[in-house]
Amino acid sequence: NAGVTQTPKFQVLKTGQSMTLQCAQDMNHEYMSWYRQDPGMGLRLIHYSVGAGITDQGEVPNGYNVSRSTTEDFPLRLLSAAPSQTSVYFCASKETSLSSGANVLTFGAGSRLTVL
Amino acid sequence: AQTVTQSQPEMSVQEAETVTLSCTYDTSESDYYLFWYKQPPSRQMILVIRQEAYKQQNATENRFSVNFQKAAKSFSLKISDSQLGDAAMYFCAYRDSNYQLIWGAGTKLIIKP
Repeated sequence: NAGVTQTPKFQVLKTGQSMTLQCAQDMNHEYMSWYRQDPGMGLRLIHYSVGAGITDQGEVPNGYNVSRSTTEDFPLRLLSAAPSQTSVYFCASKETSLSSGANVLTFGAGSRLTVL
Repeated sequence: AQTVTQSQPEMSVQEAETVTLSCTYDTSESDYYLFWYKQPPSRQMILVIRQEAYKQQNATENRFSVNFQKAAKSFSLKISDSQLGDAAMYFCAYRDSNYQLIWGAGTKLIIKP
């Protein structure tokens, strides 16, 4: 089915370990983004990309790296995990055309990360 | 900077009745988009409804409608004939001029059978 696929769904890390959350979409969306969701707070933007080869920081980028080598994939890397990065992570994508539908984000199912 | 406030951490409603979820936002822009997203226990984020600020008519999607008061910067969601499947977290979001979404903290909606 078309959509946004995130892997893994669950992950437990020890402090200082590194890992990559994978995100892939098959809708040819130019825009992709990563959010984190913490209890009692709305989603906060970590990084985003408006096309292959282009990335930019969101509201909470520290501790995370991203790259966009293809239109389809937008991995999120934690180089040295910290307990403060325990959260649920969402990848989302959308069009960037001028149509009104371009404003609608399509979300992945989320990845729950626990850092001990 | 824009902010989005959902003042109700939790709401409950009897099945088949109507409930209204509140959302206010702060912006100096005149043209923008507003959204309501639903997050059921499955964690999937699902678009419920959207409103374009330049349109005066309130958006409607089946049992879901909004009361958009631009001058008051208010964007409430009304759910009519509530169903058990409507139980979820509901998030209000504002799209800023950089095309990024600013999110409220969410309202947990409980449906009583």
